[in-house]
Amino acid sequence: AQSVAQPEDQVNVAEGNPLTVKCTYSVSGNPYLFWYVQYPNRGLQFLLKYITGDNLVKGSYGFEAEFNKSQTSFHLKKPSALVSDSALYFCAVESAGNMLTFGGGTRLMVKP
Amino acid sequence: DAGVIQSPRHEVTEMGQEVTLRCKPISGHDYLFWYRQTMMRGLELLIYFNNNVPIDDSGMPEDRFSAKMPNASFSTLKIQPSEPRDSAVYFCASSFSGVAFFGQGTRLTVV
Repeated sequence: AQSVAQPEDQVNVAEGNPLTVKCTYSVSGNPYLFWYVQYPNRGLQFLLKYITGDNLVKGSYGFEAEFNKSQTSFHLKKPSALVSDSALYFCAVESAGNMLTFGGGTRLMVKP
Repeated sequence: DAGVIQSPRHEVTEMGQEVTLRCKPISGHDYLFWYRQTMMRGLELLIYFNNNVPIDDSGMPEDRFSAKMPNASFSTLKIQPSEPRDSAVYFCASSFSGVAFFGQGTRLTVV
């Protein structure tokens, strides 16, 4: 079965510092991987996806993610965090039929 | 397009009552998903449809839950009878070519 794990419940970072939100995956075959963000009282919003090709994927709001096949990881990164980046972040893997399986989520807190 | 539209945004009901949640997907999307989000269990997929046909309902917790998609522009999730443990935020999402777009959710409180 396809699955993703987010080992950190919360990540704290100072504004202006780089941030990393971790995700590891377990899939059979080639993984289709996604990152979504959820702001308070809102639905999830798509940030970026990895299907194939370049291991560094660029997405919305200055976020990027690095696919590492040997470490089965897909970590979300941003060079310089903003207070407005504070939100809940979900990693997901696509299974058959466009179905997404989400990780448990990581709360990102960016402090001024 | 206005995105995925869910109604109502908030629902408070008494235990034992029937609850119906509604979703209008984005036009042209061929997949529709119902998710439930709670603090304890995170995001759970309840059921999904492809071209209006239910494909996988293994996530539906009990027979009290049912979902329909009578046409490409409308879906419902019904809980009958409702119980306090059904309290959660219910999300509808639609997708085309793999990227899912979520509605703003319905916050259900069963008292």
